Amino acid sequence: DAGITQSPRHKVTETGTPVTLRCHQTENHRYMYWYRQDPGHGLRLIHYSYGVKDTDKGEVSDGYSVSRSKTEDFLLTLESATSSQTSVYFCAISEEFPGTTHNEQFFGPGTRLTVL
Amino acid sequence: AQSVTQPDIHITVSEGASLELRCNYSYGATPYLFWYVQSPGQGLQLLLKYFSGDTLVQGIKGFEAEFKRSQSSFNLRKPSVHWSDAAEYFCAVGAAYGNQGGKLIFGQGTELSVKP
Repeated sequence: DAGITQSPRHKVTETGTPVTLRCHQTENHRYMYWYRQDPGHGLRLIHYSYGVKDTDKGEVSDGYSVSRSKTEDFLLTLESATSSQTSVYFCAISEEFPGTTHNEQFFGPGTRLTVL
Repeated sequence: AQSVTQPDIHITVSEGASLELRCNYSYGATPYLFWYVQSPGQGLQLLLKYFSGDTLVQGIKGFEAEFKRSQSSFNLRKPSVHWSDAAEYFCAVGAAYGNQGGKLIFGQGTELSVKP
């Protein structure tokens, strides 16, 4: 299994509080992604990173920010959590594959976030 | 618009019966196609992928998928289902070439139940 950990694994917080989720990899892969999973929606991309300090928005980026100061860590921050951000959050990593854009993505175990 | 459609939200099959999960995609570039499986409370595991070459690809756990460009489909099959195959299955598409950052678009998922 790819070395990807997410912390915390579960979190309950209140509306309006800031929350930071951490993704840590030991594979030295260049690309990292944050998704949220909601019933009926599959996985939707929030933000992704293509290198240290290089990030870009995904499909559902409003209300989220990210940072990547080291290859191995990708942080997702909810500046002021809302109930609509209650979800399961997955981190994924991907390495660059010569001749194509990328290889497959490997997923972490997920973080279940509840915003009351 | 780029999208992935899994028409069946939930499928129930008997153990030992054959299985086919449908996936249709709409994508403007040469696609890179994946099937992932998610067991309850777990992250996503790659079953198989298609990039180029033989349109029938073999994956882990006895699964296979066939890419049909004319039908924009990438259906997943298994000749004989085991109780342990009960899980949620996701089809995903990405760009095989170009500067898309390795982003994937996921379908909504198909939940598979297996009857004894």
